[in-house]
Amino acid sequence: NAGVMQNPRHLVRRRGQEARLRCSPMKGHSHVYWYRQLPEEGLKFMVYLQKENIIDESGMPKERFSAEFPKEGPSILRIQQVVRGDSAAYFCASSPRSGQGNEQYFGPGTRLTVT
Amino acid sequence: DAKTTQPPSMDCAEGRAANLPCNHSTISGNEYVYWYRQIHSQGPQYIIHGLKNNETNEMASLIITEDRKSSTLILPHATLRDTAVYYCIVRSLRGTGNQFYFGTGTSLTVIP
Repeated sequence: NAGVMQNPRHLVRRRGQEARLRCSPMKGHSHVYWYRQLPEEGLKFMVYLQKENIIDESGMPKERFSAEFPKEGPSILRIQQVVRGDSAAYFCASSPRSGQGNEQYFGPGTRLTVT
Repeated sequence: DAKTTQPPSMDCAEGRAANLPCNHSTISGNEYVYWYRQIHSQGPQYIIHGLKNNETNEMASLIITEDRKSSTLILPHATLRDTAVYYCIVRSLRGTGNQFYFGTGTSLTVIP
């Protein structure tokens, strides 16, 4: 059973460009979470999605960031007009169910560098 | 928003048990305690979780005090590959209750 897949693993963008990060959850998992880890810091929750629905985006910056999890295909985290402060590792996690008592399984992350 | 307190760093001799403490004095009655670890800059790896009872799996044991205000993760025979940052997480009930709040964790170094 393949784990959570993320691509690309490394992404370099110039300021002002768009970054698109992809996450394929584990087989059978319909719940996806995105986290961001700034250098030397812990992971910060960004958004929780189920198929075609955003359930909780309380951790998402209000501007430039968006996420989707379409009926078919991977979940996408999109960052428009990237700035240097967006440089971070972005991790996706998935779970088969939501709520307490259900662990999340993390992917290897996408390391975004904004030059 | 992390609701846990962990020592910033610990050392453990290879082959010995590593006991990682965590305080979560404000934990609510139906909030679970989770442990994850992050090796280098890899994705966090799930270790174990529990509510009230002690739990054990192939990786570790989780001991939760009776008042649930603290817990200890035990790696019974630490190896060099267990060197990592260990995160103790109390899953928040805010919002949908699906966020994990990662603090700064404990950096465990296993010494040969």
